[in-house]
Amino acid sequence: QVHLQESGPGLVKPSQTLSLTCTVSRGSIGSGDYYWSWIRQTPGKGLEWIGYIYYNGNTYYNPSLKSRVTVSLDTSNNQFSLKLSSVTAADTAVYYCARKNSAYSHDSWGQGALVTVSS
Amino acid sequence: QPLLTQSSSASASLGSSVKLTCTLSSGHSHYIIAWHQQQPGKAPRFLMKLDGSGSYNKGSGVPDRFSGSSSGADRYLTISYLQSEDEADYYCETWDNDTHMFGGGTKLTVL
Repeated sequence: QVHLQESGPGLVKPSQTLSLTCTVSRGSIGSGDYYWSWIRQTPGKGLEWIGYIYYNGNTYYNPSLKSRVTVSLDTSNNQFSLKLSSVTAADTAVYYCARKNSAYSHDSWGQGALVTVSS
Repeated sequence: QPLLTQSSSASASLGSSVKLTCTLSSGHSHYIIAWHQQQPGKAPRFLMKLDGSGSYNKGSGVPDRFSGSSSGADRYLTISYLQSEDEADYYCETWDNDTHMFGGGTKLTVL
């Protein structure tokens, strides 16, 4: 069973860039069967899909966040990463990395990482 | 883009059954969805993929008590023989042109 684990700073200052990494174990991010995704959860807006990346580097982003988001792959370490620029308090959330089956939905989730945006 | 509508809360007694609903917006009644369970303080967990015909595929380890069905734009998650650990938030998800969206979630209380 694949395992995903988020890591990164839990506190980011307003206007700075939020950076998180997801380490995947018991599965290869080089497999063409899956996409590798970031999703966040806030009390006010529920679950919000941020974007995902395919093994060949193709990326797909939520149009509402596209101008601020970058998702990248590090196949040598079996990791993928999220960068969200120009953050505000509204970006405070629990950030999940997840695996998306190429045929349909997300089918495995990391445990989540709380990121707070505050000075 | 499809929208997903879920009731904010539901309740049912221990040992009984409950049917949760996720409704697709007009023009999107044929879309496939997924159901996810989020127990308190935990990450979401994939339960099943469910299409418009009512055919579903469950995730690894999902108990037989969980089943899916469909009628028109409505997608249902039925939980039989409710247990205390079924008390959780339940979210539906769908996708369109490489964009994913989630319903607002239903908070299930087991009485």
